[in-house]
Amino acid sequence: DAMVIQNPRYQVTQFGKPVTLSCSQTLNHNVMYWYQQKSSQAPKLLFHYYDKDFNNEADTPDNFQSRRPNTSFCFLDIRSPGLGDAAMYLCATSSDGGGAEEKLFFGSGTQLSVL
Amino acid sequence: RKEVEQDPGPFNVPEGATVAFNCTYSNSASQSFFWYRQDCRKEPKLLMSVYSSGNEDGRFTAQLNRASQYISLLIRDSKLSDSATYLCVVYGGGFKTIFGAGTRLFVKA
Repeated sequence: DAMVIQNPRYQVTQFGKPVTLSCSQTLNHNVMYWYQQKSSQAPKLLFHYYDKDFNNEADTPDNFQSRRPNTSFCFLDIRSPGLGDAAMYLCATSSDGGGAEEKLFFGSGTQLSVL
Repeated sequence: RKEVEQDPGPFNVPEGATVAFNCTYSNSASQSFFWYRQDCRKEPKLLMSVYSSGNEDGRFTAQLNRASQYISLLIRDSKLSDSATYLCVVYGGGFKTIFGAGTRLFVKA
């Protein structure tokens, strides 16, 4: 009965080969987020969707794109992965995104390796 | 200066010990505050929200000091299962939830 589901759990790609990570949710939450977390570092917000509105963080590289075809699904596309993109990618949701109680529900993450 | 700062640790404590973590944040307009727990190679999970009045959940007590812009987490009677990384999290509005890098806790038998 997982509520935020990420696939795959582990992803290996080659340097420069496009890769897509997927996230789905059964919570019917308005907001979906993608975070990047490197070892021993804080999760770093890449972008978020409020419904269909896409919001990019200013320092998110152009190499990272996202799609949200419907409420339940969100994808992270890395167009040309570099070695520095190896990380855990975390998808999260929240119900409103604008209230004081901004609780996030995370998927189990996708650990990306770049060879 | 980082927006949310924590002592990375690690804190190595014996079972039954009391341990406290602090966290500071830079944005005085921050609206809400949380502690998340993250196990190795797993996703962060909400541990508790943090209020100015302080809040307690079993062995865990969280406190917020807005004037000094710091948040604390106290764990009493530590268990082996408390071993994890504890992330201080600050919500500043505008969908911006900022995570600290975490404090690592190891509880030893």
